[in-house]
Amino acid sequence: KAGVTQTPRYLIKTRGQQVTLSCSPISGHRSVSWYQQTPGQGLQFLFEYFSETQRNKGNFPGRFSGRQFSNSRSEMNVSTLELGDSALYLCASSWGEVPNEQYFGPGTRLTVT
Amino acid sequence: AQKVTQAQTEISVVEKEDVTLDCVYETRDTTYYLFWYKQPPSGELVFLIRRNSFDEQNEISGRYSWNFQKSTSSFNFTITASQVVDSAVYFCALSEAKYGGSQGNLIFGKGTKLSVKP
Repeated sequence: KAGVTQTPRYLIKTRGQQVTLSCSPISGHRSVSWYQQTPGQGLQFLFEYFSETQRNKGNFPGRFSGRQFSNSRSEMNVSTLELGDSALYLCASSWGEVPNEQYFGPGTRLTVT
Repeated sequence: AQKVTQAQTEISVVEKEDVTLDCVYETRDTTYYLFWYKQPPSGELVFLIRRNSFDEQNEISGRYSWNFQKSTSSFNFTITASQVVDSAVYFCALSEAKYGGSQGNLIFGKGTKLSVKP
């Protein structure tokens, strides 16, 4: 089975711009979660989608949004980028309805200048 | 509030030494799940183990073993006879069991960077 894929792998954007990151989960997985990893804050949960519905949301401003498509692929969008948004954005997929192991993608490294 | 503490920021050992990574958690939930993930230099988090709050049995998988003690809210991870390939950042994480089947969110510790030198 192919693993979780994320595109693009690297991205450089300017403050004020917006960005869209994409995640394709493992085939058959319906839950997709997004995390932000920074040296200062560590790994922080952004949101989770299941069957096209946002099921859970972390403590991030409204500039961070996401969606999930009928094929379980997910996108996250960050508008009005700030320098502090520079981070590794990780997507994880899972198959079950109880907290199961989440399988992570390689991440998208976003740099905001 | 839920919290995961990994007090060891960095550990350095010589190959073949045993090493234990500590994890202490806080939660008010009676049902919860604990995880360990490994993040090698490539950046991709690799799942190692999941344990639910009702299963306090220790687990051994090859050179890896986990000790779960609810009495001390700890879920420690031991690598026996460490190898250079074990060098990575290891994260302990906690997840509550949400009603409705949500995966909840993983609350991660800050991670422990393990360096295994030849």
